[in-house]
Amino acid sequence: GENVEQHPSTLSVQEGDSAVIKCTYSDSASNYFPWYKQELGKRPQLIIDIRSNVGEKKDQRIAVTLNKTAKHFSLHITETQPEDSAVYFCAARTKTSYDKVIFGPGTSLSVIP
Amino acid sequence: DTGVSQDPRHKITKRGQNVTFRCDPISEHNRLYWYRQTLGQGPEFLTYFQNEAQLEKSRLLSDRFSAERPKGSFSTLEIQRTEQGDSAMYLCASSEFNEKLFFGSGTQLSVL
Repeated sequence: GENVEQHPSTLSVQEGDSAVIKCTYSDSASNYFPWYKQELGKRPQLIIDIRSNVGEKKDQRIAVTLNKTAKHFSLHITETQPEDSAVYFCAARTKTSYDKVIFGPGTSLSVIP
Repeated sequence: DTGVSQDPRHKITKRGQNVTFRCDPISEHNRLYWYRQTLGQGPEFLTYFQNEAQLEKSRLLSDRFSAERPKGSFSTLEIQRTEQGDSAMYLCASSEFNEKLFFGSGTQLSVL
């Protein structure tokens, strides 16, 4: 069935350093890849997304890259700040049966001041 | 408030009881999702509506779970004969074009 894998499961970085989270997906027909940030006790919120016809997208300190051939996509956060500490989920819109959005297991990011 | 709202925020029930949750999506969104999230895990897909049509239900979902979306507006998720393993956060999300899902705050279910 459809699957999204994500690693690492936990990540600690010093404030100001970069953080990279990587995901793989199983359905080669997937065409939309969002990233969500979930702070403790709060709802997941969309931070950036990318469609399959684009290889890279950037929004201020965050960027996402997509390698369709390898079925990989990654989130890059530069100049990390303590408020970036949260759980980050990658997701993919699968195209099997009715398209739906499925999520990876999450990466807990801690930014150490 | 024009966001996705869910009710109740918390529900404590005894094993074997039935529970029902409600989700009110953003008004112009025709797509509505239900997900389940346990501690340390990502949202797990449960079911999905486009307007009032339930398009897909997770194969992992037992027959004790049912969802409706009458008239394509709000949705309800019912769990019959609850089990301790049903304890989780139940999240609702809506979207306009099956992208950019907006989540509600969730209903935290505890089955004792």
